[in-house]
Formats: sequence, structure tokens, C-alpha cells
Amino acid sequence: EPEVTQTPSHQVTQMGQEVILRCVPISNHLYFYWYRQILGQKVEFLVSFYNNEISEKSEIFDDQFSVERPDGSNFTLKIRSTKLEDSAMYFCASIWSGKTQYFGPGTRLLVL
Amino acid sequence: GNSVTQMEGPVTLSEEAFLTINCTYTATGYPSLFWYVQYPGEGLQLLLKATKADDKGSNKGFEATYRKETTSFHLEKGSVQVSDSAVYFCALSDVGNGGTSYGKLTFGQGTILTVHP
Repeated sequence: EPEVTQTPSHQVTQMGQEVILRCVPISNHLYFYWYRQILGQKVEFLVSFYNNEISEKSEIFDDQFSVERPDGSNFTLKIRSTKLEDSAMYFCASIWSGKTQYFGPGTRLLVL
Repeated sequence: GNSVTQMEGPVTLSEEAFLTINCTYTATGYPSLFWYVQYPGEGLQLLLKATKADDKGSNKGFEATYRKETTSFHLEKGSVQVSDSAVYFCALSDVGNGGTSYGKLTFGQGTILTVHP
């Protein structure tokens, strides 16, 4: 069964460093999402992406964040200058049609 | 804006007990409703969904009915197993913006379920 994959599974970085989280959505899916889950808290929407552009973003998704689909298969989330409060689990999701989003296993980001 | 409220947890049950996890929502229009499950150390998996009023979603013995009159989507299972121990998230999806997005998911805070033998 096709699935969404994410790399790396864990990332540790120093405050102020740039990180890139990678996702490979299910191959025929057209809509892509990033969510994050700070430890012990609810899952929060960050951004949605369709037709090579952002379709919606939350107030969390400020200028430090960017997304890209560089090669038609990968979907990346970049955090330009990480802060301690960016420590969280980041989930990628994708959808083809209908209303069910399929989630990847997540990347746990720890900012020191 | 949209919001989802789940019952406070954690919930601790003995095997074969009846489970109810309450979920209510606030949304404009006619959202789709979902339950996702997160097993320890894993990502989010869709458990069941309902896309219109009075629909019942079901999977693996879990059920939830979309009740528009009470804006609720409570999760139930008649007889839980130890393997059901996980975090359960209620979520809704709106149509999004101009039809080009299938809409972000808005999640509840999650309910930790622990089932003892």
C-alpha cells in the first residue's frame, strides 16, 4: 500500500541553524500539507500546498518557514533559523481527492 | 474559526470495557469529520471518517456518528483491547480556500487511552 515517507526520523540541531525536513507524498497525490505537534499538545496545521504554490498557511508559518516541491516527488519544509520553540514532531500529509489526508510517520526535531 | 474539543483524558480501562471518547466541533458549513489514532512512537493513522450528517464511520470495531444537531462525533467501541492503547484525535476538515485546497485539518487536543489486561 502506498504511503507517505519522511526523512529524517529524528533531527537535532543548534538554535539558529537551518533545517530541511523532507517528505515524499503518495505519488498521484496533488495536495500537500505540513503539521506540527509540540510534545503533549495538539496537532497544528502549518501550511497547505497545491499546484506549486501555498494555498493556505497558519499564523505559525512565518517568514522563517518555507516549503518547496523541488522535483515533482519531494516536498520539503525549511526552517531558516531554528528557535527552541520549533522543537516538535513535524508531520507531512498528502491527499489526491476526497477528504482523507494520509500522514507520514513524522520527523522529531529537537532544537538545542 | 473552526475548533474541535475532545473530552479530557487520560482514559484508563480494563480489557473488554466499553469506550466512549467525546468530541464536539464548531465549524461553518458542512465539515468532514475524522478520528485519527497515534500509537506509541508512530505517526497519525486514519481510524474512521464521516463526510455528512448522520453518516456513521466504522473501522476495527470503532464507530462514530456525525451528529449535526449536537455538533458531535463521539468515538465508541464495545470491547477494547490492550492493543487499542494509543492517543486518539478527533479532527475536522473544511473546504478551504476557493476550492483549490481540500482544507486543513483542525485537531482536538487528543485523548490518551490506556487499556489494562
